[in-house]
Amino acid sequence: QKEVEQDPGPLSVPEGAIVSLNCTYSNSAFQYFMWYRQYSRKGPELLMYTYSSGNKEDGRFTAQVDKSSKYISLFIRDSQPSDSATYLCATYSGGGADGLTFGKGTHLIIQP
Amino acid sequence: EAGVVQSPRYKIIEKKQPVAFWCNPISGHNTLYWYRQNLGQGPELLIRYENEEAVDDSQLPKDRFSAERLKGVDSTLKIQPAELGDSAVYLCASSSGGTSTDTQYFGPGTRLTVL
Repeated sequence: QKEVEQDPGPLSVPEGAIVSLNCTYSNSAFQYFMWYRQYSRKGPELLMYTYSSGNKEDGRFTAQVDKSSKYISLFIRDSQPSDSATYLCATYSGGGADGLTFGKGTHLIIQP
Repeated sequence: EAGVVQSPRYKIIEKKQPVAFWCNPISGHNTLYWYRQNLGQGPELLIRYENEEAVDDSQLPKDRFSAERLKGVDSTLKIQPAELGDSAVYLCASSSGGTSTDTQYFGPGTRLTVL
């Protein structure tokens, strides 16, 4: 079992829909959770960053962490065609010693 | 502010040939990472540098891969000899520090195809 599991999709939704992207993780030591967005032929770019459990909102994006169930979510409201990309969840346990552990990424397609 | 620069963007070689990738991190960033991203997968860490010191190279296949970061700025990742399974995107990232609160900024990657 990989440490971070993510459905690769593709996930196709109409423009304006609410998108829900999810990951599960196995290592309870993970404390920091990130969502990266990766466009085709580009490197990942950080979208959201949360520590421990709870919600964090930034514009149309909301990140949610439930440590009790080891579940990470990213919600996108009023989705736009420009949101079409691969979304990668990532974690590390903290302490400054590690690189990031990524999920496989979910390929999201927003249909105009 | 310029982002992380990588070259070349694409490389096609035959198996058993050597290949090298170059990375220039964001100015002032002391921490540099090399990741490998296979098709349909997330990036996987190969090596992490703090200045010129490799502080985590446990995932680097040392029989054929090597890396260096001279003067704590630019870095080079080398594969010799390349194998078919090395085909992937090699991503370089940098951050201002090596702690959990320091954002990692990624370059566009070098897409390697081994024939």
